[in-house]
Amino acid sequence: GQQVMQIPQYQHVQEGEDFTTYCNSSTTLSNIQWYKQRPGGHPVFLIQLVKSGEVKKQKRLTFQFGEAKKNSSLHITATQTTDVGTYFCAGGDYKLSFGAGTTVTVRA
Amino acid sequence: DGGITQSPKYLFRKEGQNVTLSCEQNLNHDAMYWYRQDPGQGLRLIYYSQIVNDFQKGDIAEGYSVSREKKESFPLTVTSAQKNPTAFYLCASRPTGFRGGAKNIQYFGAGTRLSVL
Repeated sequence: GQQVMQIPQYQHVQEGEDFTTYCNSSTTLSNIQWYKQRPGGHPVFLIQLVKSGEVKKQKRLTFQFGEAKKNSSLHITATQTTDVGTYFCAGGDYKLSFGAGTTVTVRA
Repeated sequence: DGGITQSPKYLFRKEGQNVTLSCEQNLNHDAMYWYRQDPGQGLRLIYYSQIVNDFQKGDIAEGYSVSREKKESFPLTVTSAQKNPTAFYLCASRPTGFRGGAKNIQYFGAGTRLSVL
């Protein structure tokens, strides 16, 4: 079955620095979705990418879908304490396969 | 105020006991899902339902059961056959059909934390 892997599992970032988290699929994806889960909370949808090579931005967050539609990345610039949480990528249609997530902590 | 409501927020199970987690949505979504989340891990699919009176096993269905008698409700029973039930359980729903925006987005409830006494 479809497997989605994320790296790194943990990301410790100094406030103000940039970082990137990566998502890789064993199969070609029709779309990739990204969710954010704050500590103690539930996953909340951030964005969906559908087209090969697509890039979307949300303020300091930049999401990219690979040309082969088998990988994706999330880049955060000038990290803030509000960015703390776990970021999940997920691929699929009516049934999503979630990656294990990248848990982000921020040093002030 | 539309959304997904899970109850209870915390639940404790005794040995050999079945417990039922509630999930209700007023978003008029056809599809509903149950996931299990363990510390440091992603979401694993337990069961899903794309329409009333129909549901399918996910990746880790053993020891769990569900029903879908109403569109709004998708309760999950954790049976005594589930030997390691301690986890965070998340219910989600999804609108079916393309509605002009991103499709196949899942909306999550606040979750139920289940522990074993």
